[in-house]
Amino acid sequence: GENVEQHPSTLSVQEGDSAVIKCTYSDSASNYFPWYKQELGKRPQLIIDIRSNVGEKKDQRIAVTLNKTAKHFSLHITETQPEDSAVYFCAASIGRGSTLGRLYFGRGTQLTVWP
Amino acid sequence: EAQVTQNPRYLITVTGKKLTVTCSQNMNHEYMSWYRQDPGLGLRQIYYSMNVEVTDKGDVPEGYKVSRKEKRNFPLILESPSPNQTSLYFCASSFAGSRNEQYFGPGTRLTVT
Repeated sequence: GENVEQHPSTLSVQEGDSAVIKCTYSDSASNYFPWYKQELGKRPQLIIDIRSNVGEKKDQRIAVTLNKTAKHFSLHITETQPEDSAVYFCAASIGRGSTLGRLYFGRGTQLTVWP
Repeated sequence: EAQVTQNPRYLITVTGKKLTVTCSQNMNHEYMSWYRQDPGLGLRQIYYSMNVEVTDKGDVPEGYKVSRKEKRNFPLILESPSPNQTSLYFCASSFAGSRNEQYFGPGTRLTVT
């Protein structure tokens, strides 16, 4: 099956700085890469996703990049704010076979933004 | 309102006492899944279901059972709970296919003493 690794496990930044979280995946058949944000005591919620036919996607202060050759993708948050503090999970989904649709998650990154 | 619901939200039980955590979605999703979340280990998949009567093991299925008799419901059964099943459990659902957002339920915090 797919193996997703995520780094770093914790990240502290000053308000206004940028934050970058990186993930690698193992199966070249993976074609969908979502990012979920989980605030303390809440459920994970999708914040952005990218498909394998796209190299970069932006949504206001959040961007995701994908390098299919190297099998890695990254989440970039610019102008961080205290409300960005949360656990972020990357995931990958294989586009074919018996596990079609199954999400494989990284272990998460605890982001803390200091005012 | 489109949503995934879980019950109960909190449960404290004793070793060996069978329990069921219910999960229901009203979005007509084919795909449903159960995860457990433990500190430092992220979200680990227990079981998933591609559609009615189709279920498969995830990464940590030992000690759990599931069934999918109806499209909207996907209960998680612990026949003989043990303390190492103390965890936060999430149900999730999505449309079939590899590029669809998964919607998570609110979570069930289970403590087994």
